[in-house]
Amino acid sequence: QLQLQESGPGLVKPSETLSLTCTVSGGSINRDRYYWGWIRQPPGKGLEWIGNIYYSGSIYYNPSHKSRVTISVDTSRTQFSLKLSSVTAADTAVYYCARVTYDSGSFLFDYWGQGTLVTVSS
Amino acid sequence: SYELTQPPSVSVSPGQTARITCSADALPKQFAYWYQQKPGQAPVMVIYKDSERPSGIPERFSGSSSGTTVTLTISGVQAEDEADYYCQSADSSGTVVFGGGTKLTVL
Repeated sequence: QLQLQESGPGLVKPSETLSLTCTVSGGSINRDRYYWGWIRQPPGKGLEWIGNIYYSGSIYYNPSHKSRVTISVDTSRTQFSLKLSSVTAADTAVYYCARVTYDSGSFLFDYWGQGTLVTVSS
Repeated sequence: SYELTQPPSVSVSPGQTARITCSADALPKQFAYWYQQKPGQAPVMVIYKDSERPSGIPERFSGSSSGTTVTLTISGVQAEDEADYYCQSADSSGTVVFGGGTKLTVL
């Protein structure tokens, strides 16, 4: 059974860089058709897509965050990571990692991590 | 920016049928997906490609599409179906977009 687990600091200071890692177990990160993505959810609000990465390094970013976001993949460790720079309180959210299937021209999120709350505060 | 429009809330009594809509101009050209999210949990996909149901999802969940609107239908609603439901699709450039979410209340 595929499992994903987010890890990283739960508290980040304003203007600093948020860094999270997602560890994939129970399956390979190097499979065709599958991307690996990040989604966030501010407290009490809806879901917001951040970006997807393929094991080869091909990346799709949400244009709203593209200037601050870096997503990378480490296939040897079956991990992928998120970095979000110059954070503000508006970046406080539960951050989810997910497996993303590319099918018929669309992305769908079929396996999710449990999510990790990141609070931006001094 | 491209938006998927959902009603903020829907309420139904147990055993009735709940219908949650999601509207956007590009929906005739892009597939839609539906996710169920219960409090404190990660979302779970309940419908993919407008009307397909993943394995393990009860048959009472179904999806349909008509023009610029897709609909998630839950027939014979049960108390355990109370949750937030999100539609997801993409704009013309392929950017992933989620709807604002609909809170389903089972009375």
